[in-house]
Amino acid sequence: GAVVSQHPSWVICKSGTSVKIECRSLDFQATTMFWYRQFPKQSLMLMATSNEGSKATYEQGVEKDKFLINHASLTLSTLTVTSAHPEDSSFYICSAPAAVEQYFGPGTRLTVT
Amino acid sequence: AQSVTQPDIHITVSEGASLELRCNYSYGATPYLFWYVQSPGQGLQLLLKYFSGDTLVQGIKGFEAEFKRSQSSFNLRKPSVHWSDAAEYFCAVGQTQGGSEKLVFGKGTKLTVNP
Repeated sequence: GAVVSQHPSWVICKSGTSVKIECRSLDFQATTMFWYRQFPKQSLMLMATSNEGSKATYEQGVEKDKFLINHASLTLSTLTVTSAHPEDSSFYICSAPAAVEQYFGPGTRLTVT
Repeated sequence: AQSVTQPDIHITVSEGASLELRCNYSYGATPYLFWYVQSPGQGLQLLLKYFSGDTLVQGIKGFEAEFKRSQSSFNLRKPSVHWSDAAEYFCAVGQTQGGSEKLVFGKGTKLTVNP
């Protein structure tokens, strides 16, 4: 099946700094990728839809200036958490559709100190 | 807007026992339905999906699910649970967005398997 990778798998950053998370489709092209956020012991909440070659579409309540999304190629989308704060600590998961199925990355654990 | 309800936050079963995880959805049209499993600190793995046709779908690891339109349900079942099935299970409904599926997830059900 199709494989989606994320990097890094785990990152710690200081409050006020920015951190970039990469999502790659390894063996297929994805014009669309999705970014989810998962709080401990909770469900996945869709943050935004990343569109190759155009602006991302953000879900209601998600700050687009704080969570910058860039979909620079058909295999790479990046999520940058700007001016991170401890409340941004979470598990971030991306997914990419292939045919009618979604393939999920392994997730990135972000801890902001 | 579509929504997914998983009524059971936590279920505990004994190894070898049968399992049923409940899922109810709210969606105006014919839904695309999915069950995913997540092990601690890991991403999601697709167990099975329903798009159309036979309402009883078979998935990986011996799981199956039945779509019941009249009850707006898509319950996940397994006849005999293994210790390795302990994980978090998420039901999701898909909405086509530009040809791609945008998923709405339930809150999940944590499965504990006793030896």
